[in-house]
Amino acid sequence: GAVVSQHPSRVICKSGTSVKIECRSLDFQATTMFWYRQFPKQSLMLMATSNEGSKATYEQGVEKDKFLINHASLTLSTLTVTSAHPEDSSFYICSARVQGGLGPQHFGDGTRLSIL
Amino acid sequence: GENVEQHPSTLSVQEGDSAVIKCTYSDSASNYFPWYKQELGKRPQLIIDIRSNVGEKKDQRIAVTLNKTAKHFSLHITETQPEDSAVYFCAAASGGTSYGKLTFGQGTILTVHP
Repeated sequence: GAVVSQHPSRVICKSGTSVKIECRSLDFQATTMFWYRQFPKQSLMLMATSNEGSKATYEQGVEKDKFLINHASLTLSTLTVTSAHPEDSSFYICSARVQGGLGPQHFGDGTRLSIL
Repeated sequence: GENVEQHPSTLSVQEGDSAVIKCTYSDSASNYFPWYKQELGKRPQLIIDIRSNVGEKKDQRIAVTLNKTAKHFSLHITETQPEDSAVYFCAAASGGTSYGKLTFGQGTILTVHP
């Protein structure tokens, strides 16, 4: 149980393209999902908290107009990297929590984004 | 906000030895502490977690201890095996308006030599 599916797993595209990444909880409902960014050999940095039916909460320094988050249902959150540039190249990972309040976060497989 | 420090950054042990990774946190309101294992290019996988009302938790070869007063917690792996080689992350979270968001440590690269 507690499976989180993330697609696509890898994206290579030209500078200026917008890229959408999907995060789905397959066997549970997730009122809260999280989006992280991970640079090579570094830790996971929280970008934003995605709440079903409301606006996402962004961490300090994360551009909300650059990284659009939508959490329209209890099983799906999307992250759109708008007008991507080479500096946006990174490993993006989502996670979802099984229950309200505190509980384990389960991660998707991540998306390797490469902007040429 | 929360700050989590993790040590060591790299750890090399012989198969069969024990490995210990330590983390400290700054926010006394933090009450949930998971540990994740991440293999290269893959998702972090939860290996064990502990809540603040418990001092120790064990699952086969893996154990976690928590000292709330000192605000530190540790991961203990006994009888290490080569397949334990990976990057390990500790994290801390608190409830309330933070929605239980996790703050991660910097990670420890564990290498178990056969």
